Amino acid sequence: DVKVTQSSRYLVKRTGEKVFLECVQDMDHENMFWYRQDPGLGLRLIYFSYDVKMKEKGDIPEGYSVSREKKERFSLILESASTNQTSMYLCASSLYRVGQPQHFGDGTRLSIL
Amino acid sequence: KQEVTQIPAALSVPEGENLVLNCSFTDSAIYNLQWFRQDPGKGLTSLLLIQSSQREQTSGRLNASLDKSSGRSTLYIAASQPGDSATYLCAVSPSQGAQKLVFGQGTRLTINP
Repeated sequence: DVKVTQSSRYLVKRTGEKVFLECVQDMDHENMFWYRQDPGLGLRLIYFSYDVKMKEKGDIPEGYSVSREKKERFSLILESASTNQTSMYLCASSLYRVGQPQHFGDGTRLSIL
Repeated sequence: KQEVTQIPAALSVPEGENLVLNCSFTDSAIYNLQWFRQDPGKGLTSLLLIQSSQREQTSGRLNASLDKSSGRSTLYIAASQPGDSATYLCAVSPSQGAQKLVFGQGTRLTINP
């Protein structure tokens, strides 16, 4: 069965900290995605990766970076966390072929104090 | 720029009723459309995916239709149950950049016993 695992369900960090959110998929998918979800704004794409060490900016990349050293793992990095990055973060993966469904993890609720 | 709208934002119906959720999109140049379910505090579960060449897809009590030319999709839920209570999101995969998804803001559905 399809499985996307996010390392933390809840995370509390302080302003200015460097924060790592981890995502692992076990389906050998080429594509991986990071979204954030906020009330009234819906899901917005931060970054995605279509291969190891490859990445593309999404709609709101500012303040974030990503790392994909292995095919199954995609990390989202908040270089210097700020309170406006408090949000629900969702990771997803899909096969490379266009039009394939995306499969989501359970999300990480991140609070920046 | 593709925009996806879901109306209403919230819907409450008694158990056993058949219901329809609506999704509209501004650009008909899509590769496919996907319906998701999201339970509170959780990630997204894929329900149905309709390719642009298809008119509808069915899974159990769910039926999704697509009218690409008019920019509309509906999700029909038959014989609703309290367990169907969740937020339902639709997302389109644009023909350009088809690996990405553009999401609507969702309809929060409550089924009253």
